[in-house]
Amino acid sequence: DAGVIQSPRHEVTEMGQEVTLRCKPISGHNSLFWYRQTMMRGLELLIYFNNNVPIDDSGMPEDRFSAKMPNASFSTLKIQPSEPRDSAVYFCASSGLGDEQFFGPGTRLTVL
Amino acid sequence: AQRVTQPEKLLSVFKGAPVELKCNYSYSGSPELFWYVQYSRQRLQLLLRHISRESIKGFTADLNKGETSFHLKKPFAQEEDSAMYYCALSGHQGAQKLVFGQGTRLTINP
Repeated sequence: DAGVIQSPRHEVTEMGQEVTLRCKPISGHNSLFWYRQTMMRGLELLIYFNNNVPIDDSGMPEDRFSAKMPNASFSTLKIQPSEPRDSAVYFCASSGLGDEQFFGPGTRLTVL
Repeated sequence: AQRVTQPEKLLSVFKGAPVELKCNYSYSGSPELFWYVQYSRQRLQLLLRHISRESIKGFTADLNKGETSFHLKKPFAQEEDSAMYYCALSGHQGAQKLVFGQGTRLTINP
């Protein structure tokens, strides 16, 4: 099993552009989490899904951010329009019946 | 509100010396506490959780509800322990929502 898969691994874009980050959870896991990591704020939960349904999106910074999970094997985090302060590493994690969260390798986003 | 505080951003110790990474939390109920670790060029992964009461890679952590702490300890540090360590809290069973501390970068000097 390749574990949680995220793409792209690196993204450089210009301010105002739309950015889409993708995640494939571990097969059979029913919970999916999106985190953002910055030097200033550390690791913050943005949103999580249970059985493809968003449960808690209180960590989503503003309306420019949106996340979807159309099926059990795919999720996206979209930023539109992107701003320089969105530059961070974005992690996706999934968990199954147990409570351990398995993390992906992250996507390093740079907004110029 | 749930909050996790790791007061040290950086910690450096010599190989063979004892290590203690501090973690304090704020939560009104009965929390579940975790330590996650990220080694260089690897993914963030679970190191240990307080309910399992086990030692992983020589590390232990005891939940002290009186002091609201969950410090991570190892009696003799090894160079391969160098990594980023995150303390995390879940407010209910299942760890559906984890609140992380800001992390401590541990460096073990030879």
